[in-house]
Amino acid sequence: DQQVKQNSPSLSVQEGRISILNCDYTNSMFDYFLWYKKYPAEGPTFLISISSIKDKNEDGRFTVFLNKSAKHLSLHIVPSQPGDSAVYFCAASYMDSNYQLIWGAGTKLIIKP
Amino acid sequence: DSGVTQTPKHLITATGQRVTLRCSPRSGDLSVYWYQQSLDQGLQFLIQYYNGEERAKGNILERFSAQQFPDLHSELNLSSLELGDSALYFCASSAGTSGGLYTDTQYFGPGTRLTVL
Repeated sequence: DQQVKQNSPSLSVQEGRISILNCDYTNSMFDYFLWYKKYPAEGPTFLISISSIKDKNEDGRFTVFLNKSAKHLSLHIVPSQPGDSAVYFCAASYMDSNYQLIWGAGTKLIIKP
Repeated sequence: DSGVTQTPKHLITATGQRVTLRCSPRSGDLSVYWYQQSLDQGLQFLIQYYNGEERAKGNILERFSAQQFPDLHSELNLSSLELGDSALYFCASSAGTSGGLYTDTQYFGPGTRLTVL
């Protein structure tokens, strides 16, 4: 039972344009969502998070949008840079989830020069 | 550099064997988490320790066990290894001091790649 789904295994975007990564979830109890970035041979690195009481959170070039009614969140990267090429994971949790993060399978983002 | 260290980086062993993976959390972090990532999959939560005590269990097999020592480093023991146990094993740590622990940011180590032949 995949509670967090990233349906695009990969995404290719031109440098300078907007990258939009999507994530869907099925468990309506999730109230905290995170995005992590992972380079090869490294562990995931925290990027940005959003609580369910918000519908948007911004941090520099990164913005996460949450649509609770659609059980959907997205990560926008503007403008995209070559260093953004990585695998992006969406993760979710809720207070009674035993502190577990439930992870999506990841989307590989490739920024073309 | 996240400040979380994991050893060894690579481990190759045979089926039926037992291995121990080691993790040192960031200085001051009380919580340690273990995850398994199989090929092209998301991370699967295995187990969490907080200040030496087991806090949460995920999809951890009975052949696997973990502990957190008084100095807060943690070990993940994998026994009776099978081919399907080949994966990347990540350790993460978090401060564990905020009121809502489930919202703590987790910092990940570089992982241990286990290959079972």
